[in-house]
Amino acid sequence: AQKVTQAQTEISVVEKEDVTLDCVYETRDTTYYLFWYKQPPSGELVFLIRRNSFDEQNEISGRYSWNFQKSTSSFNFTITASQVVDSAVYFCALRIQGAQKLVFGQGTRLTINP
Amino acid sequence: DAGVIQSPRHEVTEMGQEVTLRCKPISGHNSLFWYRQTMMRGLELLIYFNNNVPIDDSGMPEDRFSAKMPNASFSTLKIQPSEPRDSAVYFCASSLRQGYNEQYFGPGTRLTVT
Repeated sequence: AQKVTQAQTEISVVEKEDVTLDCVYETRDTTYYLFWYKQPPSGELVFLIRRNSFDEQNEISGRYSWNFQKSTSSFNFTITASQVVDSAVYFCALRIQGAQKLVFGQGTRLTINP
Repeated sequence: DAGVIQSPRHEVTEMGQEVTLRCKPISGHNSLFWYRQTMMRGLELLIYFNNNVPIDDSGMPEDRFSAKMPNASFSTLKIQPSEPRDSAVYFCASSLRQGYNEQYFGPGTRLTVT
């Protein structure tokens, strides 16, 4: 069975601080896909990134960066120079090859204070 | 391009009433998913369709829930009769079946059953 753990339930930082959201996953499959979604206060779920298990290259997109480490089964998300608009609940998710079901973590509520 | 469209955005109904939630997936997407989000259980997959055919409905909580996809551009999730414990946000998502197929979510329907 697959499982995603986001141990940080809530994080609160001051604007312009860097913040890292942790995601640890469990699967016995060798081919799988990892995702991050953002859920702002308005409620919709916004797709941020997908990472394939065979590609451990880290990715940077503006102030966002993702660190994928198969050795520790982690897919962490870092926001650099955080802004108030980054306040949201962030979900990490896992899908194994051949399946379409996304397994979500419980989410991390991130609050950026001005 | 239009994203996933859901209606209504908010629904308040009395226990025992029938509730129908509607979804229009992204044009060209051939997989459609219904999720439910609650504080207690997080994001749960209820059912998903490939090419309008239900593939996995193991997440449907009980017989009071039913889902249909009569064509590629429309799906419904029906609850009859509704109960207070059905109160939640219901999301519809769509994706391409082939490839990496990240799922794109609609804005959700917030259902309150009194």
